[in-house]
Amino acid sequence: EIVMTQSPATLSVSPGGRATLSCRTSQSVSNNLAWYQQKAGQAPRVLIYGASTRAPGIPGRFTGSGSGTEFTLTISSLQSEDFAVYYCQQYNNWPPWTFGQGTRVEIK
Amino acid sequence: QVQLVESGGGVVQPGRSLRLSCAASGFTFSGYGMYWVRQAPGKGLEWLTYISNDGSDKYYADSVKGRFTISRDNSKNTLYLQMNRLRAEDTAVYYCAKDSFYCNNGICHKWLDPWGQGTLVTVSS
Repeated sequence: EIVMTQSPATLSVSPGGRATLSCRTSQSVSNNLAWYQQKAGQAPRVLIYGASTRAPGIPGRFTGSGSGTEFTLTISSLQSEDFAVYYCQQYNNWPPWTFGQGTRVEIK
Repeated sequence: QVQLVESGGGVVQPGRSLRLSCAASGFTFSGYGMYWVRQAPGKGLEWLTYISNDGSDKYYADSVKGRFTISRDNSKNTLYLQMNRLRAEDTAVYYCAKDSFYCNNGICHKWLDPWGQGTLVTVSS
């Protein structure tokens, strides 16, 4: 099973600031990685797949990068609606499909 | 638009059973694999099970293998999760999600999208 490790657990960022979230995998997943956003009380929604491809309708301030075992989600110019929990998920080796434990982006 | 609506959650005693349903609309249900994912209170996301579009392939997380069964009725555009021998640690919001994918030059990317709104299952005496 591929273990996903996200850091930091919580990130405090000022509105308009930049957030950099990290996801590491226990073995290479190539670029078979997705990022999800979950707002309080809502279901997750996909932001990024293929490590760097934005899903339809996702604003350009969300950028995914990385391959192999190290991945980054960057949110530039944070908007109020971006404060949420973010999860990475690998689909290279399945089953199981595995998620990171999440990074909470909160208002500083 | 694509929509998934879960139902069937509630309070159940340990050791009892519950069946969740996920009604799909807005897409050709029989053409897509489907997932169940859960989220315990205040915790992260845990993949539970997957079923292929025609039901021929099913996979389970170790945590639910032998207790939970995924199934689908393509004639009714509905996904199911039969949960038996429930435990307190099964308390969670249960989400169904559609398998989305993109393939190019033999390389395919898969992700879960969209997700239903979730249904809460509470296992308590």
